[in-house]
Amino acid sequence: ILNVEQSPQSLHVQEGDSTNFTCSFPSSNFYALHWYRWETAKSPEALFVMTLNGDEKKKGRISATLNTKEGYSYLYIKGSQPEDSATYLCASNSGYSTLTFGKGTMLLVSP
Amino acid sequence: GAGVSQSPRYKVAKRGQDVALRCDPISGHVSLFWYQQALGQGPEFLTYFQNEAQLDKSGLPSDRFFAERPEGSVSTLKIQRTQQEDSAVYLCASQEREGRIYEQYFGPGTRLTVT
Repeated sequence: ILNVEQSPQSLHVQEGDSTNFTCSFPSSNFYALHWYRWETAKSPEALFVMTLNGDEKKKGRISATLNTKEGYSYLYIKGSQPEDSATYLCASNSGYSTLTFGKGTMLLVSP
Repeated sequence: GAGVSQSPRYKVAKRGQDVALRCDPISGHVSLFWYQQALGQGPEFLTYFQNEAQLDKSGLPSDRFFAERPEGSVSTLKIQRTQQEDSAVYLCASQEREGRIYEQYFGPGTRLTVT
C-alpha cells in the first residue's frame, strides 16, 4: 500500500506571494504522480501527470517538479491570486490505474 | 462539453436507510472509479470498473457497499443499512482508457450525511 504525504496541511498567503507545497511518496514501484486542484463545490481538476525523474511541468503560474529517486514532488504557484484558493491534492498510482491520494494542502489567498 | 456528473449532490439519510448514488461518466470513457473522502482525509479508492466489468472492489469497506455498471456507462454505488461512519463525500472519476498515465476526470461528488 502506498502512503502519500502532503505538507503543509494548510497555508494562508497574501495576493502576490509565491508559494510551494510538498508531496512525498514511496519511491519503490513508482509509476506516475498526479496533481489536482479542488475548489469548494466543484470537481477536482487535473493539473499535471508526471512520470519521469527530473520532470518539470508548467501551466500558467503553476509549475511542478518530480524526484522519483527520493520520492517527492513540489508544486509552485507564482504570484498567488485569490482564485488560486483551493485544496491541492497529489496522488500516486497503485494497482491498475487507481490513485492513492494525500490529504491535500488547503491554500487560502487573501486579497 | 459534458463532464462527469453525479447525483444527488447532497444526501441526508437516517441510520439504517439504503442509499443509491449515481455517476454519469464522460461518454466513451472505458474506466470508472469510485472514491470515498471522509472529513479531513484524502480521497480513498473504493472500486474500479473497466467497461461493465468490476475489476477491483478491494476498497469497499464492508459488504453493505455494492457498485455496478451494467452497460459500461452509468454506474451506481449502493450503500445498504447506512451507518454514521459512512458519512463522506463520494467521488466518481472516469478515464478514457486503461493506464496509469491517463488523466482521471472527476465529478463534483455526492456528500452523504448519515444522521
